[in-house]
Amino acid sequence: SQTIHQWPATLVQPVGSPLSLECTVEGTSNPNLYWYRQAAGRGLQLLFYSVGIGQISSEVPQNLSASRPQDRQFILSSKKLLLSDSGFYLCAWSPGGGADQYFGPGTRLTVT
Amino acid sequence: RKEVEQDPGPFNVPEGATVAFNCTYSNSASQSFFWYRQDCRKEPKLLMSVYSSGNEDGRFTAQLNRASQYISLLIRDSKLSDSATYLCVERLFSGGYNKLIFGAGTRLAVHP
Repeated sequence: SQTIHQWPATLVQPVGSPLSLECTVEGTSNPNLYWYRQAAGRGLQLLFYSVGIGQISSEVPQNLSASRPQDRQFILSSKKLLLSDSGFYLCAWSPGGGADQYFGPGTRLTVT
Repeated sequence: RKEVEQDPGPFNVPEGATVAFNCTYSNSASQSFFWYRQDCRKEPKLLMSVYSSGNEDGRFTAQLNRASQYISLLIRDSKLSDSATYLCVERLFSGGYNKLIFGAGTRLAVHP
């Protein structure tokens, strides 16, 4: 069966510091991968998606970037965090071409 | 106007009650729809897909009305464990991938 991992689970970072969140998927190959952010009391906002190694598409311009160095690894980064980057970051995967998306446990980021 | 709109609630119901949530969407090109469940401070989990003919999974019934562009979720015989936020989701095929658009969620609280 497939599993998706994210770490860290929680993170408190000062404004201006860098960020690196990691997501890995097991038990499948060539998945589509997604990064979402959920601000308090709001819906999920798609940040990035990837259909393959090195292929990243951004949904909204922002202070973040994503990379996919391996087939089942997806990384979310920032060079300098802003207060507005606080939120619940969720990684998701779907089978290539599939509609159902499955979420990892998330990383709760607080920027102070 | 939001692409997917939901009544945020909360809906406070006693155990055993029947409760219904509605959701409206604005994009008539939407391919399909889903309901996800999200427990407090956890990741969303797929509850069920929504088919045009309506579909049932145990105590849960989902309906889609394309003419009026709304989706509903009916929960019968509510359990305490049903307490969660229910996310309405539409799927669009855009840019070569399946894009999910999430509503902000409807919160359900079932009490003894």
